[in-house]
Amino acid sequence: RKEVEQDPGPFNVPEGATVAFNCTYSNSASQSFFWYRQDCRKEPKLLMSVYSSGNEDGRFTAQLNRASQYISLLIRDSKLSDSATYLCVVNFNAGKSTFGDGTTLTVKP
Amino acid sequence: DAGVIQSPRHEVTEMGQEVTLRCKPISGHDYLFWYRQTMMRGLELLIYFNNNVPIDDSGMPEDRFSAKMPNASFSTLKIQPSEPRDSAVYFCASSLVIAGGSSTDTQYFGPGTRLTVL
Repeated sequence: RKEVEQDPGPFNVPEGATVAFNCTYSNSASQSFFWYRQDCRKEPKLLMSVYSSGNEDGRFTAQLNRASQYISLLIRDSKLSDSATYLCVVNFNAGKSTFGDGTTLTVKP
Repeated sequence: DAGVIQSPRHEVTEMGQEVTLRCKPISGHDYLFWYRQTMMRGLELLIYFNNNVPIDDSGMPEDRFSAKMPNASFSTLKIQPSEPRDSAVYFCASSLVIAGGSSTDTQYFGPGTRLTVL
């Protein structure tokens, strides 16, 4: 079993749709959690950190459930520019991150 | 800030040749990471440094791979001899230690080096 698992998708949604991604992790001692975004042939970039209380950044909402060991990302009112691969990232110790394989989102007109 | 700088951006070489990838982290960052990304295996951590010291190289696939960080502003990843299965995108990333000794964990990636070994 992988340390961090994501549904690879692809998710194909129309503009304006709401879409949610989930990610599970195996190490209950994990310390910090993130969502990164990677565009085609580009480097990963931080989208948002995930806090225990949940956090929101515009149309994006991240949730953490430590008891069930999963993280979620909700995107509301999808835009064409949201099309990308979304990577779930979990840190088990200082400095070392484990990336999920990513979930591919395509938003269509 | 210029961000993380990697060179070359593209490298095409023949099997058996030595390949050296270079990285300049963001100034002031004291963690540096080398990753490899392929369609089959996703993004894999190869090695990371803290204050120029290698901390964990368990992801380095085999002895053909080596990494150095001679100073805070430069790191290299070397493959010798290269093989076709080493073809991938190699990313370097850096992050900053916060008070308390643990990284902020936000990693800033360079644009990557796309390596093709024929």
